Amino acid sequence: GAVVSQHPSWVICKSGTSVKIECRSLDFQATTMFWYRQFPKQSLMLMATSNEGSKATYEQGVEKDKFLINHASLTLSTLTVTSAHPEDSSFYICSATGSDRVSYEQYFGPGTRLTVT
Amino acid sequence: DAKTTQPNSMESNEEEPVHLPCNHSTISGTDYIHWYRQLPSQGPEYVIHGLTSNVNNRMASLAIAEDRKSSTLILHRATLRDAAVYYCILHVMGNNNDMRFGAGTRLTVKP
Repeated sequence: GAVVSQHPSWVICKSGTSVKIECRSLDFQATTMFWYRQFPKQSLMLMATSNEGSKATYEQGVEKDKFLINHASLTLSTLTVTSAHPEDSSFYICSATGSDRVSYEQYFGPGTRLTVT
Repeated sequence: DAKTTQPNSMESNEEEPVHLPCNHSTISGTDYIHWYRQLPSQGPEYVIHGLTSNVNNRMASLAIAEDRKSSTLILHRATLRDAAVYYCILHVMGNNNDMRFGAGTRLTVKP
């Protein structure tokens, strides 16, 4: 149990376009979802935290108008990278916790690799 | 947030035990010690966590120093599939539950 999926697993887009990444909790209700970004050979960097039905809380230095996060249901959160540029190319990973799951564990998705050309 | 310090990389031979250290000298009384690992091109996965006492599960063991300023993740018999980046994270259980990742230790397992 406690599976988190992401779609797509990889995407290539042109500079200036927008890309939407989906994060789904398949077998539990995700009350809180997190979005991370990871550049090659680096660690995960927390971008934002979202609670179902509320506005996301962004980490310092993360542009909320560029990285739009929606957590409209207990099983789905989306991250939209607007007007993507090559420097946005990265590995985007979501994770989730739920009120009906063990409180200490965060469940991570498999990640989405974004390449902006 | 209290920070952790881990070696950048470690090597192990297959089927031998591996001890991955983590220093967290500024740990507070409410910080739990969590370990996650990330296999290549995948999201992190939970390994183990503890507060004060040593912990064992099917994946690993966690040895916590008496003063809690350091801990060691123990893989009893490393396999090639254990090659990953291992992250030691201090985390206060709460409503937010966000995890802050440090640089981690890249474990290489040699056949």
